[in-house]
Amino acid sequence: QKEVEQNSGPLSVPEGAIASLNCTYSDRGSQSFFWYRQYSGKSPELIMSIYSNGDKEDGRFTAQLNKASQYVSLLIRDSQPSDSATYLCAVNQGGSEKLVFGKGTKLTVNP
Amino acid sequence: DAGVTQSPTHLIKTRGQQVTLRCSPKSGHDTVSWYQQALGQGPQFIFQYYEEEERQRGNFPDRFSGHQFPNYSSELNVNALLLGDSALYLCASSLLVGVGQETQYFGPGTRLLVL
Repeated sequence: QKEVEQNSGPLSVPEGAIASLNCTYSDRGSQSFFWYRQYSGKSPELIMSIYSNGDKEDGRFTAQLNKASQYVSLLIRDSQPSDSATYLCAVNQGGSEKLVFGKGTKLTVNP
Repeated sequence: DAGVTQSPTHLIKTRGQQVTLRCSPKSGHDTVSWYQQALGQGPQFIFQYYEEEERQRGNFPDRFSGHQFPNYSSELNVNALLLGDSALYLCASSLLVGVGQETQYFGPGTRLLVL
């Protein structure tokens, strides 16, 4: 069973701080990695996608991928109360488009 | 540019009944995937449709079936509903460009409650 593990949290940071979310995966054949944000009662919204080792930045968000360590992370700089949500890490099952999700990390940004 | 749409938004059924959920993909997308998300869990893959055929299936019983139409819209059918089928059902659309290269965008979901 291919697995994706996330810190369950909850993670609480003050407004303006950096929030760091982590994810590990078991399938070495995985090629695509995603972070989705899910507000309570809503559906997942794509935040970042990353396909190669290293960092990818988009505004206040930076995704980091290390395939050797089977580790992907999301950094949120200058965290805002509107960033408070559950963040889902998703990884494709090697050789397919099936996404395997972690259980999510609940982030709270305190004003 | 219309995003992924799903209907209905909410549904209440009783055990043993059958339900059909509908999804229209984002404009320009040709692939539809269905996921089940139980409370407090991440979404779980049910199956994916491309060119009106099921391409891949997750670990769900045959009570779960689907269909894709020529206009790329899709239906998810669940027969003989169980209490444990209560969940948020998510449709995700994508453009098939190559294995491991597609990005899936989710619709608003259908919340199903089985009593």
